[in-house]
Amino acid sequence: KQEVTQIPAALSVPEGENLVLNCSFTDSAIYNLQWFRQDPGKGLTSLLLIQSSQREQTSGRLNASLDKSSGRSTLYIAASQPGDSATYLCAVRPNFGNEKLTFGTGTRLTIIP
Amino acid sequence: EAGVTQFPSHSVIEKGQTVTLRCDPISGHDNLYWYRRVMGKEIKFLLHFVKESKQDESGMPNNRFLAERTGGTYSTLKVQPAELEDSGVYFCASSAFGQSYEQYFGPGTRLTVT
Repeated sequence: KQEVTQIPAALSVPEGENLVLNCSFTDSAIYNLQWFRQDPGKGLTSLLLIQSSQREQTSGRLNASLDKSSGRSTLYIAASQPGDSATYLCAVRPNFGNEKLTFGTGTRLTIIP
Repeated sequence: EAGVTQFPSHSVIEKGQTVTLRCDPISGHDNLYWYRRVMGKEIKFLLHFVKESKQDESGMPNNRFLAERTGGTYSTLKVQPAELEDSGVYFCASSAFGQSYEQYFGPGTRLTVT
């Protein structure tokens, strides 16, 4: 059974700092991994999707890496801004044929102005 | 392009009552998923439709939950009768075939059973 862990559960950093959020999963047989952002009372916004054959994906100030063999992914946020404050979730999809995502519990990020 | 929409955004009902949640996926997305997040827990999968057919309903908690997707467009999730432990946020997502299978989520319906 796939389990996804995100540590820490909460993180506060001053504005302008670079930061890394961690995601680990127990079963490396994944099809892809998605990083999401959730603002309070809102839905999930997909940030980045990494296919199992890829090592990283970049979008603006965000960079996500994937090490499938070790069951780890990181989300790197450069030059953090107060608007980055949100809960960040990672989710993995198992190999082709099963499309349900398994989510971590998320990291609540606060950027201090 | 409109995203995934869900209705209502909030619902407060008493134990034993019935509630129906609605999801409209992104136009043209054949895959539709329901997930929920109960207090303090991670988001968990409920079921997956491909067009109007249930592809995977392994996450449905019990037979008080009934999901339908008539015509392969919008979907409804009915809870009857509702119990206290059904409280949480119910998310709908959709994806298209043949791409990355990236799932796009709606804003969720917050269900409170009192």
